[in-house]
Amino acid sequence: QKEVEQDPGPLSVPEGAIVSLNCTYSNSAFQYFMWYRQYSRKGPELLMYTYSSGNKEDGRFTAQVDKSSKYISLFIRDSQPSDSATYLCAMNPLTGANSKLTFGKGITLSVRP
Amino acid sequence: DTAVSQTPKYLVTQMGNDKSIKCEQNLGHDTMYWYKQDSKKFLKIMFSYNNKELIINETVPNRFSPKSPDKAHLNLHINSLELGDSAVYFCASSQMTGGVAQYFGPGTRLLVL
Repeated sequence: QKEVEQDPGPLSVPEGAIVSLNCTYSNSAFQYFMWYRQYSRKGPELLMYTYSSGNKEDGRFTAQVDKSSKYISLFIRDSQPSDSATYLCAMNPLTGANSKLTFGKGITLSVRP
Repeated sequence: DTAVSQTPKYLVTQMGNDKSIKCEQNLGHDTMYWYKQDSKKFLKIMFSYNNKELIINETVPNRFSPKSPDKAHLNLHINSLELGDSAVYFCASSQMTGGVAQYFGPGTRLLVL
């Protein structure tokens, strides 16, 4: 079993739809949970991160972590064509020496106008 | 003003050749990374350096040798290139080792023929 599994996609939705992106993980040591967005032919950029369980909201984006189920989600409300990108979840046991990010495989989202 | 820059953006070369990729960050970060992203968009860490010191070496073949002349620069030299080395290589930096907020460069697309 891979450490981080992400729904393979691709995903295509109409503009204005609510999008739910999900990852599961097996390493219970993960404490930090991140979502990176990668536009075509660009480097990934950090969208949001949460520490431990709970929700975090930033505009149209909500990140949710359920450590008991080892499951994280990113919700996008009122999706826009500009949200079309690949979304990668990433996790880290904790910051400090030797800690590193483990990424999911990414899911490509296309928002149709 | 580019935060993390890489050169070259594209690299097409023959099997067996040696090539280098350069990376520079102007964010004042202490930690820099090399990641490899394969054709399926899977992003995997290769190396991390903290203030010129190698911290993480993810069982990468010896043909790959990173070098950090100072904390703002991290270069990657690849000897005897193989077909399987074809990928996008991303440089990234963060304020501290394993930091959740990692800033990625635009990537170097390497194609080995």
